[in-house]
Amino acid sequence: AQSVTQLDSHVSVSEGTPVLLRCNYSSSYSPSLFWYVQHPNKGLQLLLKYTSAATLVKGINGFEAEFKKSETSFHLTKPSAHMSDAAEYFCVVRLNTGFQKLVFGTGTRLLVSP
Amino acid sequence: ETGVTQSPTHLIKTRGQQVTLRCSSQSGHNTVSWYQQALGQGPQFIFQYYREEENGRGNFPPRFSGLQFPNYSSELNVNALELDDSALYLCASSLDWAGGPYEQYFGPGTRLTVT
Repeated sequence: AQSVTQLDSHVSVSEGTPVLLRCNYSSSYSPSLFWYVQHPNKGLQLLLKYTSAATLVKGINGFEAEFKKSETSFHLTKPSAHMSDAAEYFCVVRLNTGFQKLVFGTGTRLLVSP
Repeated sequence: ETGVTQSPTHLIKTRGQQVTLRCSSQSGHNTVSWYQQALGQGPQFIFQYYREEENGRGNFPPRFSGLQFPNYSSELNVNALELDDSALYLCASSLDWAGGPYEQYFGPGTRLTVT
């Protein structure tokens, strides 16, 4: 079965330092992978997506993720954190089972300190 | 272009009652999916509607039901509410077409509290 595992429940960084949020996936074939962000009391916003095109995917707000098949990973990175990046981040795999279903990881809370 | 909207924003119900949550999909989208997000967890897929028919369902009991209307808006109904139904309910819309892909765009959610 396809699934994603987010390796850290919380990540703390200082403003201006790099961000790394880790995600491993499990899939028997090339998956469609996404990162969504959820700010407090807000809905989910799509950051970026991988759908078997370029392995390095650029998203909004300076985020990017690299699909590494050999490591079954899809880590999210950003060179320099901003206070506004503090939020919950979800790694997501899309299942194609006759209908489109998103399977979410458990989430990583990013804390950014001044 | 109007995004996904949901109503109401917050709702408090008593155990055993019934509730209806509403979702208006993004303009041009024909598919609506519903998710339940319990506190501190990732969203869990409830079901999906495409052209007014349920075409996929997650691991939720039959007391969770839905509708999709000709304008592609949707309702989520939950009967016989239980305390564990307290959660944020998220609606997502997408355009389902043969070529794909099908990015899902989420609404702000409805916070349901069951007491």
